[in-house]
Amino acid sequence: NAGVMQNPRHLVRRRGQEARLRCSPMKGHSHVYWYRQLPEEGLKFMVYLQKENIIDESGMPKERFSAEFPKEGPSILRIQQVVRGDSAAYFCASSKQGAGMDTEAFFGQGTRLTVV
Amino acid sequence: KQEVTQIPAALSVPEGENLVLNCSFTDSAIYNLQWFRQDPGKGLTSLLLIQSSQREQTSGRLNASLDKSSGRSTLYIAASQPGDSATYLCAVRAGTALIFGKGTTLSVSS
Repeated sequence: NAGVMQNPRHLVRRRGQEARLRCSPMKGHSHVYWYRQLPEEGLKFMVYLQKENIIDESGMPKERFSAEFPKEGPSILRIQQVVRGDSAAYFCASSKQGAGMDTEAFFGQGTRLTVV
Repeated sequence: KQEVTQIPAALSVPEGENLVLNCSFTDSAIYNLQWFRQDPGKGLTSLLLIQSSQREQTSGRLNASLDKSSGRSTLYIAASQPGDSATYLCAVRAGTALIFGKGTTLSVSS
């Protein structure tokens, strides 16, 4: 049973380009979460999605960032017109249940985005 | 607003020592608490999940306790090994999101 798969592992973009980060949840998991880890800071929640629905995007910057989890295929985190401050490690997690005592999150290896 | 603090930020111990990592949180209304391990440049590996109704969980040489009323959790590592060297993260779930501490970076020397 493969774990949470993220790709690419490393991504370099020039300022102003678009970055697309992909996440395939663990088999049987329908809940996906995106987190960002900035240098010297802890992981911060960005967005929570179920199939075809955004449930909570309270941690997502209002501009340039969007996320989707289509009926078929991986979840995508898109960053438009990237700036140097977007350089970070982006982690995806998945769980079998939504919010609750039994909800255990499993994380992918992350995508390390570098904006030059 | 929930805040999670981990002390110490860094810890160096010789191989074989037993050690305790501390995690505190400001709001006791949580669903559960999860301990993770993160190796440099890698993802997070889930170590233990403690539900809010539980007091502790054990896995091998790891034991995690939870005192929800005082907002504290500890991760006990027995007989530490160089392979335990990593950053240990504590996270609480109060809703849809996990709230993370900044971690304790552990170095075990042989």
